[in-house]
Amino acid sequence: SQQGEEDPQALSIQEGENATMNCSYKTSINNLQWYRQNSGRGLVHLILIRSNEREKHSGRLRVTLDTSKKSSSLLITASRAADTASYFCATDYSSASKIIFGSGTRLSIRP
Amino acid sequence: GAVVSQHPSWVICKSGTSVKIECRSLDFQATTMFWYRQFPKQSLMLMATSNEGSKATYEQGVEKDKFLINHASLTLSTLTVTSAHPEDSSFYICSATPWERGQETQYFGPGTRLLVL
Repeated sequence: SQQGEEDPQALSIQEGENATMNCSYKTSINNLQWYRQNSGRGLVHLILIRSNEREKHSGRLRVTLDTSKKSSSLLITASRAADTASYFCATDYSSASKIIFGSGTRLSIRP
Repeated sequence: GAVVSQHPSWVICKSGTSVKIECRSLDFQATTMFWYRQFPKQSLMLMATSNEGSKATYEQGVEKDKFLINHASLTLSTLTVTSAHPEDSSFYICSATPWERGQETQYFGPGTRLLVL
């Protein structure tokens, strides 16, 4: 099934630094969502951005969407050790509300 | 609000047996639930869309006779892995979308880890 690509696959940064993850997708979308998954656990919904939106903020998170380039980015500012997790973008492109996940970025925050 | 539970959280079974996983929306009604599978260090792969009162829609490459889905009510969907084999060992996650219109967010269950020996 269609799947977005994320880069980098893995990212290791120092605590306090900003982390940026990118997501590219293939077809037109209704919205794009970002999720966090701690190791071996369920998913936590972070933020949803609709196709007619370009930028959205939520606390230390900033998401951008460029539908002309079919890409999105997730910025986490002032990273903390608790941000260590895998981050996935997911695109809603159908009328059935089903979403397809990207390949994910594994983020490690060094103390 | 918007809590989704899964049961069991983990299960170990012998090869050839069948395993049933339940997905429940605890505080909302869900006309649609989704089932995903995740192998270690990989992303979530959508297996099927479960619609209350009708047959599930399976993604390409997913065997419907092996992964039986039943969505008997607006709060419960079950996934049965029939004749499980070691290659079916994985993390199975369900999600649900609320009945109300305009709800775009899916709410995910905590997942069920299946180990087939």
